[in-house]
Amino acid sequence: EAQVTQNPRYLITVTGKKLTVTCSQNMNHEYMSWYRQDPGLGLRQIYYSMNVEVTDKGDVPEGYKVSRKEKRNFPLILESPSPNQTSLYFCASSLSMTGYGYTFGSGTRLTVV
Amino acid sequence: GQNIDQPTEMTATEGAIVQINCTYQTSGFNGLFWYQQHAGEAPTFLSYNVLDGLEEKGRFSSFLSRSKGYSYLLLKELQMKDSASYLCASPAAGNKLTFGGGTRVLVKP
Repeated sequence: EAQVTQNPRYLITVTGKKLTVTCSQNMNHEYMSWYRQDPGLGLRQIYYSMNVEVTDKGDVPEGYKVSRKEKRNFPLILESPSPNQTSLYFCASSLSMTGYGYTFGSGTRLTVV
Repeated sequence: GQNIDQPTEMTATEGAIVQINCTYQTSGFNGLFWYQQHAGEAPTFLSYNVLDGLEEKGRFSSFLSRSKGYSYLLLKELQMKDSASYLCASPAAGNKLTFGGGTRVLVKP
């Protein structure tokens, strides 16, 4: 089954404790992206990747890192999480950067206390 | 730049029709998407318009007018399961899909 798999689904952590949210897709998509979703603000792009070893900042990259060492994986790293990073996070992948056929992961609800 | 506007919330009765409007200003238009998102779940693809006009898919239809920077999503024969947020989105120059804030639709019996 074609899918984007995110883990974990839920995570509660403390300020400053490094964490990684994993994202993996099995569709051989070149384009992958991370979004965060907050009430009243909609989905905002954090980082995106157009291919292996090619990543770039989205609208709200501060406090986040990503890597794309393999085509299928695009982890989101929070080196020192803060409470303002409490949010619902989605990974998405697509055949192209224009977004046609975006497939989203099931989401990760992160709480930083 | 990219700016996408849609109403925050709409309420409708089961069996009725609801139209969700979306206006956009974009520096490089490359089509317009509609996604459905149930609370706490991932957005799922509904439609994609790149040319002017109406595209119908069962109970859902989407319309686009590029000259007016306007789109709408029409939901017919509303069912309780249609209660969800509906997201308007457009690819912008700069390799991203930009989303509007979403319209929460509440279907009442």
